[in-house]
Amino acid sequence: SQKIEQNSEALNIQEGKTATLTCNYTNYSPAYLQWYRQDPGRGPVFLLLIRENEKEKRKERLKVTFDTTLKQSLFHITASQPADSATYLCALGGGTGANNLFFGTGTRLTVIP
Amino acid sequence: NAGVMQNPRHLVRRRGQEARLRCSPMKGHSHVYWYRQLPEEGLKFMVYLQKENIIDESGMPKERFSAEFPKEGPSILRIQQVVRGDSAAYFCASSPVNLRSSSYEQYFGPGTRLTVT
Repeated sequence: SQKIEQNSEALNIQEGKTATLTCNYTNYSPAYLQWYRQDPGRGPVFLLLIRENEKEKRKERLKVTFDTTLKQSLFHITASQPADSATYLCALGGGTGANNLFFGTGTRLTVIP
Repeated sequence: NAGVMQNPRHLVRRRGQEARLRCSPMKGHSHVYWYRQLPEEGLKFMVYLQKENIIDESGMPKERFSAEFPKEGPSILRIQQVVRGDSAAYFCASSPVNLRSSSYEQYFGPGTRLTVT
């Protein structure tokens, strides 16, 4: 079955720096990959979607890359702020026979003022 | 435009009781997904429904769990004879299209936190 790993359960960085989160997957060929943000006690909120034929996507301070050869996505938050502190989830979708998204366990990011 | 609504937000049940979780998708969305999130674990897919149809229940335990999405009203996730291991956050998500045929984000509700005592 598919396996999705997100590096480090927790990541602490200084305000203003760039946070880089990693999502690696095996045993799956997704048609697209998504990143979500989840705050404590709340449901995930969609951030970005990148398709298998796209290398990079940007939205404001967010950047996502997708390497289907390495089976890896990198998620960057530039000029990080304390308000960016949350858990970030990667999710794969659109593979053969899949009606749903497959989620990683998430990386808890803390931006230190 | 109201988002995905779930109720109750918190539910406490004693072992052996039934739990009913409700989800109203976003307006215009006819595809509903249920996920379970255990502490320190990722979201695990349970079931995917469209109006009056269960499309994929491959992630749902074979016993005690059932789901429906009637023509009128919210989607219901029902857990019979709950056990302590059912304690988790249950999230509902909706989308306007089928995720297998189209790339699209899911909109999540705030979740129902079930505690079995």
